[in-house]
Amino acid sequence: DAGITQSPRHKVTETGTPVTLRCHQTENHRYMYWYRQDPGHGLRLIHYSYGVKDTDKGEVSDGYSVSRSKTEDFLLTLESATSSQTSVYFCAISGRGRGQETQYFGPGTRLLVL
Amino acid sequence: TQLLEQSPQFLSIQEGENLTVYCNSSSVFSSLQWYRQEPGEGPVLLVTVVTGGEVKKLKRLTFQFGDARKDSSLHITAAQPGDTGLYLCAGAYNNNDMRFGAGTRLTVKP
Repeated sequence: DAGITQSPRHKVTETGTPVTLRCHQTENHRYMYWYRQDPGHGLRLIHYSYGVKDTDKGEVSDGYSVSRSKTEDFLLTLESATSSQTSVYFCAISGRGRGQETQYFGPGTRLLVL
Repeated sequence: TQLLEQSPQFLSIQEGENLTVYCNSSSVFSSLQWYRQEPGEGPVLLVTVVTGGEVKKLKRLTFQFGDARKDSSLHITAAQPGDTGLYLCAGAYNNNDMRFGAGTRLTVKP
């Protein structure tokens, strides 16, 4: 199994609270991704990173920011959580860009915004 | 609007039956991937198909990429309870864009 961990695994928070999710990899892969998974929508890309300090937006980036200060860590921040951000969040990694090779997914973080 | 449409959304069958799930799009993809996801876990890649008309087999699973590279199917022969899970297709286009379907949730009853 690819070495990807996510923390926390579960979180309950209140509307308007900032939340940070962490993804940590031990594979030294260049690309890291944050997805959210919601019923009826599949996995949708929030942001991705193609190197330290290099990030770009995905399909559903509004309300989210990311940072990557080290190869192994990719942080996702909800500046002011809203109920629409209740979801399961997955981190993924790959050596090359999406579709070019396998993406490995972390175990997910289940976030509930009340 | 979902770029990739998967059907059926839900499928419940008895052990030993065969099944096919579909992944359709109006877009041409450079490659298409199938993933399987179990509850509480992230998706795991099953296969990547790249060439139009390509057929790949993985034990009892057969994957086909349409000639026009706009659709794909996954056929499972003699399904087993261990096949239960969410099956996702994901189509890649451009160099670093990929879109997922909403998935087919398969339940195989013993």
